[in-house]
Amino acid sequence: QVQLQESGPGLVKPSGTLSLTCAVSGGSISSSDWWSWVRQPPGKGLEWIGEIYHSGSTNYNPSLKSRVIISVDKSRNQFSLILSSVTAADTAVYYCARLSKYSSTWYPDYWGQGTLVTVSS
Amino acid sequence: DIQMTQSPSSVSASVGDRVTITCRASQGISNWLAWYQQKPGKAPKLLIYAASSLQSGVPSRFSGSGSGTDFTLTISSLQPEDFATYYCQQANSFPWTFGQGTKVEIK
Repeated sequence: QVQLQESGPGLVKPSGTLSLTCAVSGGSISSSDWWSWVRQPPGKGLEWIGEIYHSGSTNYNPSLKSRVIISVDKSRNQFSLILSSVTAADTAVYYCARLSKYSSTWYPDYWGQGTLVTVSS
Repeated sequence: DIQMTQSPSSVSASVGDRVTITCRASQGISNWLAWYQQKPGKAPKLLIYAASSLQSGVPSRFSGSGSGTDFTLTISSLQPEDFATYYCQQANSFPWTFGQGTKVEIK
């Protein structure tokens, strides 16, 4: 059974950089799946941030693209999120998830438990 | 971006009730739609993919239908563990987008 675990600072200062890592266990990050980040502001809905393949290919949400980098570390079986120039609007629970192919397209079927990141001075 | 609009925003129902949630896409997405269940403090759980295919391990009381722009999630007989928030998500084109959620509450 695949498991994902997010880690990183829970508090980031405004204008700073948010950095999170998702460790994958029970499966290989070099499989034929994509790996993604999704966030959820407190009490609000879900927002897709972006995704990466083990080759390094990425897709980003255009609304965040100028501030986001997603990278993969195959040796450590993990992938990471960097979000720069953060503001209070970036306060959210950040989830990592595996995207698997179902019926010709990709859906997130395994999720981490999420980590709350608060942007505050 | 494709906008996903769910209705209602919340629904009050009793155990055993039939519950239907609708999701409308701002443009056609074929059947590239998923439904998720989220309980407080937990990650979303994939219930339905490709509009009507039941994810492995999900009870058969959950079903999905629709194509194009209009979709529904139906819970045929609501169980206590089904009280949660449900989201639809389009997988037709980037960026993937979600509906705003429908909260199913105890009546």
